[in-house]
Amino acid sequence: EAQVTQNPRYLITVTGKKLTVTCSQNMNHEYMSWYRQDPGLGLRQIYYSMNVEVTDKGDVPEGYKVSRKEKRNFPLILESPSPNQTSLYFCASMGSMNTEAFFGQGTRLTVV
Amino acid sequence: AQRVTQPEKLLSVFKGAPVELKCNYSYSGSPELFWYVQYSRQRLQLLLRHISRESIKGFTADLNKGETSFHLKKPFAQEEDSAMYYCALITGGGNKLTFGTGTQLKVEL
Repeated sequence: EAQVTQNPRYLITVTGKKLTVTCSQNMNHEYMSWYRQDPGLGLRQIYYSMNVEVTDKGDVPEGYKVSRKEKRNFPLILESPSPNQTSLYFCASMGSMNTEAFFGQGTRLTVV
Repeated sequence: AQRVTQPEKLLSVFKGAPVELKCNYSYSGSPELFWYVQYSRQRLQLLLRHISRESIKGFTADLNKGETSFHLKKPFAQEEDSAMYYCALITGGGNKLTFGTGTQLKVEL
């Protein structure tokens, strides 16, 4: 089954403790991206990647890092999480430009 | 810069009533527009895209370049249509997918 898988689904952590949210897709898609979803703000793009070793900032990249060492994986790294990063995070992948985006099930992160 | 505007945060209609979810965009180039839907506790999924000009689950959306709009319509709302709807725009050669703030549709019996 074609899918995008994120882990963990839920995470509560403390300020400053480094964490990684993993994202994996099994569709051999070149394009992957991360979004955060906040009430009243919709989905905002954090980072995206057009292929292996090619990443770029989205609209709200501050406080986040990503890497794309393999085509299927695109982890989101928070080196020093802060409470304003409490949000619902979605990973997405696309097979080629201007096609359908497939989303993961979301990761609800709470930073206290 | 590209922008997608969904003016309504919440739209409540009765079952059987017509539905129109508004979406306006700003982009100087030729846009690729989509509607995504998020049912309760589920992931976002594509509902329809303007280039396909198709009807999905009774929903249609027409791109109006003059008004820079891509409103989502359905003639008769069903209870199962209750969900969060996002309008989205692809620009930059396909490397940037910009979402609106979303509209929560609630269909009441």
